[in-house]
Amino acid sequence: GAVVSQHPSRVICKSGTSVKIECRSLDFQATTMFWYRQFPKQSLMLMATSNEGSKATYEQGVEKDKFLINHASLTLSTLTVTSAHPEDSSFYICSAYASGGGRHNEQFFGPGTRLTVL
Amino acid sequence: GQNIDQPTEMTATEGAIVQINCTYQTSGFNGLFWYQQHAGEAPTFLSYNVLDGLEEKGRFSSFLSRSKGYSYLLLKELQMKDSASYLCAVIRPPSYQKVTFGIGTKLQVIP
Repeated sequence: GAVVSQHPSRVICKSGTSVKIECRSLDFQATTMFWYRQFPKQSLMLMATSNEGSKATYEQGVEKDKFLINHASLTLSTLTVTSAHPEDSSFYICSAYASGGGRHNEQFFGPGTRLTVL
Repeated sequence: GQNIDQPTEMTATEGAIVQINCTYQTSGFNGLFWYQQHAGEAPTFLSYNVLDGLEEKGRFSSFLSRSKGYSYLLLKELQMKDSASYLCAVIRPPSYQKVTFGIGTKLQVIP
């Protein structure tokens, strides 16, 4: 299947710092990628849709100025958590769809990034 | 709004069959996914249903009834490695890609 990578896999930072997470589609192009957040024992919550060449669209309740998304190319989207606080500690996961080649409407997830804010 | 319900936990015996149910009340429907998620890892794709009926893929099958807002995931010949959370996710119109996830069913397979 298609491969989506994320970097870093784990990050620990001090409160008030900014953290950038990269999401890459390795063997396919993705005009749209999605960013999710998952707190312990909870479901994945969609944060925003990352659109190549245009602004991201955010879900209700997600602060766009805090979670900056840049979709720089057809294979790369970045999520920057600005001025991180302990309540931002979570598992952040990106995803992308690979269409065609028998993979119609199949969503592939990155391995996730565990963010811990001290 | 979107409301997806599934049991939070289930236990089944190795070698047995288990059925995980999912009911949804959503404003529109463009398809339903089932994902497997091991602790601390990202979800992996299991199945996609958009029409009523049963989709079979090896030991895993998924069923959909759109009129009832109901789906189930059937796992046969359970193995210990099947212990994981199983997530039901509904695609929300007008998108064909944005999904809402249920909370997931944590399945424990015992010897």
